[in-house]
Amino acid sequence: DTGVSQDPRHKITKRGQNVTFRCDPISEHNRLYWYRQTLGQGPEFLTYFQNEAQLEKSRLLSDRFSAERPKGSFSTLEIQRTEQGDSAMYLCASRFGQYEIGELFFGEGSRLTVL
Amino acid sequence: EDQVTQSPEALRLQEGESSSLNCSYTVSGLRGLFWYRQDPGKGPEFLFTLYSAGEEKEKERLKATLTKKESFLHITAPKPEDSATYLCAVQAGSFGNEKLTFGTGTRLTIIP
Repeated sequence: DTGVSQDPRHKITKRGQNVTFRCDPISEHNRLYWYRQTLGQGPEFLTYFQNEAQLEKSRLLSDRFSAERPKGSFSTLEIQRTEQGDSAMYLCASRFGQYEIGELFFGEGSRLTVL
Repeated sequence: EDQVTQSPEALRLQEGESSSLNCSYTVSGLRGLFWYRQDPGKGPEFLFTLYSAGEEKEKERLKATLTKKESFLHITAPKPEDSATYLCAVQAGSFGNEKLTFGTGTRLTIIP
């Protein structure tokens, strides 16, 4: 499978714990995005990387959220001191960034449940 | 702030019954409007990009159109496998703004 891969697919945690999600983009894609989606809503933008540089962050991304993309390959999204409001599907997407606008290829998401 | 509103929230059609989904938007400087399809428990799957008013794109039973204020996704003679949530998203603003703003989607059900 050469699509965007996310791990884990499901995570259940207790309030206050830290969680980390991993995203492996399509290999030649230099742009990587994180979105969050809650039930009945559309995805909300969290952050964006071009290669290893984090170029854009949403105001939704509180200090408890941090994302990295070392060496411009896979990316991790860490949530510290989880809260029940963090329960959502965390979607990763990637694209090849030769042009300014292009279709995003989404992974199947990591579903987080905070008890 | 960019806003995207989709209607209806849900639509049930008989197989073969054509209809349209609406996406209205309020943005400053539209650079692209996107349609995605999302199946339950999966990530969105790209369908179309439209760049300017008057543009149309087609793929199988789907046709997307764009005006200065809204986009329509027309579905002709749908089949049960077309059942999914259809999401509209916009990219707007200055060069380098990579954020997509999504609507809440239209949940389409095709009844055999």
